[in-house]
Amino acid sequence: GQNIDQPTEMTATEGAIVQINCTYQTSGFNGLFWYQQHAGEAPTFLSYNVLDGLEEKGRFSSFLSRSKGYSYLLLKELQMKDSASYLCARGAAGNKLTFGGGTRVLVKP
Amino acid sequence: DSGVTQTPKHLITATGQRVTLRCSPRSGDLSVYWYQQSLDQGLQFLIQYYNGEERAKGNILERFSAQQFPDLHSELNLSSLELGDSALYFCASRGAGGAGTEAFFGQGTRLTVV
Repeated sequence: GQNIDQPTEMTATEGAIVQINCTYQTSGFNGLFWYQQHAGEAPTFLSYNVLDGLEEKGRFSSFLSRSKGYSYLLLKELQMKDSASYLCARGAAGNKLTFGGGTRVLVKP
Repeated sequence: DSGVTQTPKHLITATGQRVTLRCSPRSGDLSVYWYQQSLDQGLQFLIQYYNGEERAKGNILERFSAQQFPDLHSELNLSSLELGDSALYFCASRGAGGAGTEAFFGQGTRLTVV
């Protein structure tokens, strides 16, 4: 959807760190959201970046580089409950909101 | 509870039929979005409304239509249903607080076409 690319799947060990990358089309860009979605459930909001840099929120951090059309979500001290899909979403003018295909993260003991 | 209500939660219907999915946004939210999520797939954007008017259209089939009513609730109509239309359909609503306003999702309607 609108050239939002993120890896399909990642696997990591409990207690480790995982970085989920997202690249997006820069024209008309108006902010980058990250959502978490457990299987069969509704997506829930994690973070929003509109300026370059890192936003930290507990174990989760999100980074944005506007000039590169690039963002990442960093999950630290992974817990089993972090096994979920992580969706990158691009905001645009007119309140538009388009999601990438999501990255499924599997946390192993 | 996100404050966004979708009904019904589950729907099973036959090919060729027509169904209507309903969404009540959070109180005061003017924007409503509809997304389709097939098994193990991402969220495919269908359509967006703002205060009763269509704002943006995504990969929505001609067999599908939607509207937003004066009380801001929205309905997604799916007709001539095919097996491939089986999916989770999510509605999300968003306030008018600016670009950084998060969207809140309903619990979805799981549609099964048999």
